[in-house]
Order: sequence, then structure tokens, then C-alpha cells
Amino acid sequence: EVQLVESGGGQVQPGGSLRLSCATSGFTFRDYVIHWVRQAPGKGLEWVSGLRGSDGRTYYAASVKGRSIISRDNSEDTVHLQISRLTVDDTGVYYCARDGNPYVPGCFQYWGQGALVTVSS
Amino acid sequence: GMTQFPPTLSVSPGERATLSCRADQGIGSNLAWYQQKPGQAPRLLIYAASTRATGIPARFSGSGSGTEFTLTITGLQSEDSAVYYCQQYNHWPPGTFGQGTKVEIK
Repeated sequence: EVQLVESGGGQVQPGGSLRLSCATSGFTFRDYVIHWVRQAPGKGLEWVSGLRGSDGRTYYAASVKGRSIISRDNSEDTVHLQISRLTVDDTGVYYCARDGNPYVPGCFQYWGQGALVTVSS
Repeated sequence: GMTQFPPTLSVSPGERATLSCRADQGIGSNLAWYQQKPGQAPRLLIYAASTRATGIPARFSGSGSGTEFTLTITGLQSEDSAVYYCQQYNHWPPGTFGQGTKVEIK
């Protein structure tokens, strides 16, 4: 059974940083891209970042590029997302997601339960 | 980007709901539909514009290609009350989502 479990959410002050983790299980990590998708309160969905398990190649949305790092811990099949210089616009639920087809990145079949990040002073 | 309409749809139980999604450039059939209920993660309903994901009831169907797409829910049930998002993955990253259509049960 495919499982994605996020951790690391919480309240952070503007200008600070956060590190989210996504622990994966139930599939071969290196076969897929693992993504982060976020949702501001009462708003729609926004893809944020992705990491390809086969070679560690990383991808970022324009909204976080230059202040985010997505990384992996292969020994634990875990993906981390660190975002710095946080603003109130980064507030929301951050979901970890996995593609359904390893050859078609960007179509998210599996989702975690989400981690809430609140940027506030 | 992706444009969904209408923003809100109110439908009686047992009737049909038709949701539309338009891409500002051609995306072939690389379109997905997701259902999201309050407090829950999105759920993949349809991928490749018209293929139901595993475990999705047959009352959900998708159609379209290029720039115009439709999600149809026939025989609407109370549990179908949710927000529905379309998403293109032809030009990934970033794989943009529409703004969502909220389906309400009359």
C-alpha cells in the first residue's frame, strides 16, 4: 500500500524558515517523482516542488525558486522541503504527492494527509 | 493557465452536473480531475482526460482534448458535494490547476 506521511508543519515567523518531511512507503522510491503541492486557506491548489527519485533531479515553482531546497534521504525513502524567507503568502496546507505513472510526471494519484504551515508573528 | 466554470454549481440529487475546464494552450489529453472535500486531501478522479482512476464510480466521466474539457457527474449523490479541480500536466513543471468548481447539492 502506497503511503505518504508529512511532518514538520507548525507556526513560523515571517522571514523564518521551515522544513517539511514526507516519509514514503509501499513502492520503489527511485521509480517516481515525489511532489509538494500546497493550498492556502480557502484557495486552490498550487504545485510547489518535485524531486525525481532516480537521479535526484529537482524542480521548483517560480513562487519558491531561489528560497527552497527539496532533498531526499534515500536510506529512509524520505523527501524534505525547506523554504526560507517565509511570508504570509506561504501559509497553507502542504501536501506530499506521488504520480500514478512513473513515465508521466505531474499527475498526482497518491496524496498525504497534509501538513499545516502558518506564517505569522 | 487553466480556467474552470462555473465557479459554483447547484444540482439536485439524481441529476447531472457538467463542469468545464479550458486551457489557454493545447495540452493534448494530459488533463486530470480531482475531487476535494473539506478537510481532506484531493482525490484523483480522472486522468488522461477520460480515464477513471482506480475505484472511481462510473458516474464520473471525463471528455475533451486540446483546450476544452468536461467532467460529468451523472446521477449526482449527496457525497459528491465537493470542490473539483482540473489540472494540466502536459507542461510539467509546473502542472497548473484550475481555480475549482464547487458542487453543491440542492
